Amino acid sequence: EPEVTQTPSHQVTQMGQEVILRCVPISNHLYFYWYRQILGQKVEFLVSFYNNEISEKSEIFDDQFSVERPDGSNFTLKIRSTKLEDSAMYFCAVTLWDYNTDTQYFGPGTRLTVL
Amino acid sequence: ELKVEQNPLFLSMQEGKNYTIYCNYSTTSDRLYWYRQDPGKSLESLFVLLSNGAVKQEGRLMASLDTKARLSTLHITAAVHDLSATYFCAVDKPNQGGSEKLVFGKGTKLTVNP
Repeated sequence: EPEVTQTPSHQVTQMGQEVILRCVPISNHLYFYWYRQILGQKVEFLVSFYNNEISEKSEIFDDQFSVERPDGSNFTLKIRSTKLEDSAMYFCAVTLWDYNTDTQYFGPGTRLTVL
Repeated sequence: ELKVEQNPLFLSMQEGKNYTIYCNYSTTSDRLYWYRQDPGKSLESLFVLLSNGAVKQEGRLMASLDTKARLSTLHITAAVHDLSATYFCAVDKPNQGGSEKLVFGKGTKLTVNP
């Protein structure tokens, strides 16, 4: 499986603070995604990103969220003013184009704790 | 709205036994995925099922897809403790831009007891 790294592995922040979560794909991927998983719950789609543009976003991805790929490598998720309910695992996922399949490979995740 | 339902949500089984996890989804989709998640870890891709009647096997796990019934199954054969994990099915919902957002089920937490 292609490697995707995420930093930091764990982020603790105060409510109202800004956080930036980073995803570093190793290979040359096509699509990038952010998902979140609140503890003990299912995985939820946040946003997809292709060719330096948002392709799709969910209702969760409101004005407090933004994504970018500033240096053509790192893919970042920014939460401008964190809320308690933003506490979750955030996973970056990437897609490698394959003519037979289009599996999304997930990074190790960042655990965000908002106090 | 695409919905994905798994059952059971919790499954406790004895080593050596067989069992099946079910995944129903509400609308037509191109692909169905099965992922495994260990506690505190990421999601590991197990299977991608692309067409009606598709069957894939890896070790003690076998996944199948019936697109007409909108049903996928994950069958566990002769379970071993190492299979203890949470298993998620996910269905893709492609958009015009080409990306595919995955819609996940709630997951099935499997515990295999010695």
